Amino acid sequence: DAGVIQSPRHEVTEMGQEVTLRCKPISGHNSLFWYRQTMMRGLELLIYFNNNVPIDDSGMPEDRFSAKMPNASFSTLKIQPSEPRDSAVYFCASSFPAGGEAHNEQFFGPGTRLTVL
Amino acid sequence: RKEVEQDPGPFNVPEGATVAFNCTYSNSASQSFFWYRQDCRKEPKLLMSVYSSGNEDGRFTAQLNRASQYISLLIRDSKLSDSATYLCVVNSGYALNFGKGTSLLVTP
Repeated sequence: DAGVIQSPRHEVTEMGQEVTLRCKPISGHNSLFWYRQTMMRGLELLIYFNNNVPIDDSGMPEDRFSAKMPNASFSTLKIQPSEPRDSAVYFCASSFPAGGEAHNEQFFGPGTRLTVL
Repeated sequence: RKEVEQDPGPFNVPEGATVAFNCTYSNSASQSFFWYRQDCRKEPKLLMSVYSSGNEDGRFTAQLNRASQYISLLIRDSKLSDSATYLCVVNSGYALNFGKGTSLLVTP
């Protein structure tokens, strides 16, 4: 079975440009997470979807960031306009919820390495 | 204060050595605990869950001390292939909080 699929794998863009990152979760998983990883801050949760509905977006840095999940098999994370400090690796992960606040394993995609010049 | 704290290392150990990593967490209401492994320029992957009674998976042993809000990972007979970053993970409500990781380098 295919794991979590992310595209593009690498993105280099100039400050001010719009960036769209894409994610296809594992089929049957109904929780989807977007993370950002940097050396300074480690892995940070940006937003969490359950059954395509955003549950917690408190980690989204600011209004320049937006995420959507139009259906169970696709999600996007958009940055507009992008800034150099957005440079990071962005991971998408999916899981099948265990119920309540219990957690099942999260399966991560290979990540998108974003560089904003 | 970050919710999950780990010593970043790096831990440099020879093959065959035993190495232990520790982690502390701040949310006493946390119920789920994990260790994830992340290889260089790769995604994190679940290594093992951590149960209250402690659990073992081959050369790996995980312990949880709820009173001290402390989690540990012990690796016995370390292999070159164990070189990676080990992330301590604790739930906070619906979310998982990841530590920044402890870097391990196993040398020949």
